[in-house]
Amino acid sequence: GENVEQHPSTLSVQEGDSAVIKCTYSDSASNYFPWYKQELGKGPQLIIDIRSNVGEKKDQRIAVTLNKTAKHFSLHITETQPEDSAVYFCAASIGDNAGNMLTFGGGTRLMVKP
Amino acid sequence: GAVVSQHPSWVICKSGTSVKIECRSLDFQATTMFWYRQFPKQSLMLMATSNEGSKATYEQGVEKDKFLINHASLTLSTLTVTSAHPEDSSFYICSARDLAGGFNTQYFGPGTRLTVL
Repeated sequence: GENVEQHPSTLSVQEGDSAVIKCTYSDSASNYFPWYKQELGKGPQLIIDIRSNVGEKKDQRIAVTLNKTAKHFSLHITETQPEDSAVYFCAASIGDNAGNMLTFGGGTRLMVKP
Repeated sequence: GAVVSQHPSWVICKSGTSVKIECRSLDFQATTMFWYRQFPKQSLMLMATSNEGSKATYEQGVEKDKFLINHASLTLSTLTVTSAHPEDSSFYICSARDLAGGFNTQYFGPGTRLTVL
């Protein structure tokens, strides 16, 4: 089955700096890669996702890149703000197969210091 | 759009009682919902996949008789923790799959904190 590894497990940055979180996956058939943000005591919130037919997707300060050959994808947050502090999870799935579930990475705790 | 609700948000119960958690997709129909369990500072652990109108599929190691799942409609799935014990205390989160556009997008509920005394 699919295995997703996520690094780093914790990341501390200064407000205004950029943050990068990286994930690798094992199943070359995976073609859908969402990122979730989870604040303390809340459920994960989908913040951005990418499908394997594109290499990069951007939404304001958030971007995701995908390297299918190397089987890794990354989340980039620019101009970080204290409210970006949370745990971020990457996931992988065969997205167009209704029977397939998401496989999550271990999570990254991002701390943005004001 | 794509809002998932959970009720209750937290519950405290005595050991041996049963607790029901509801998961609703508010603005879309979800033929498939998922139930996860999350321990402090850990990732989400999939417990079961809930399919509307059929039996749930449980992950290895999850007791189906203890964690009863019912997906009676396209917008509602329930998880019942039967005869709860302190070790069942955890954060339970559901998600609903929105197949609009043909892809496996999952939206999560806010979670339910269960504490068993």
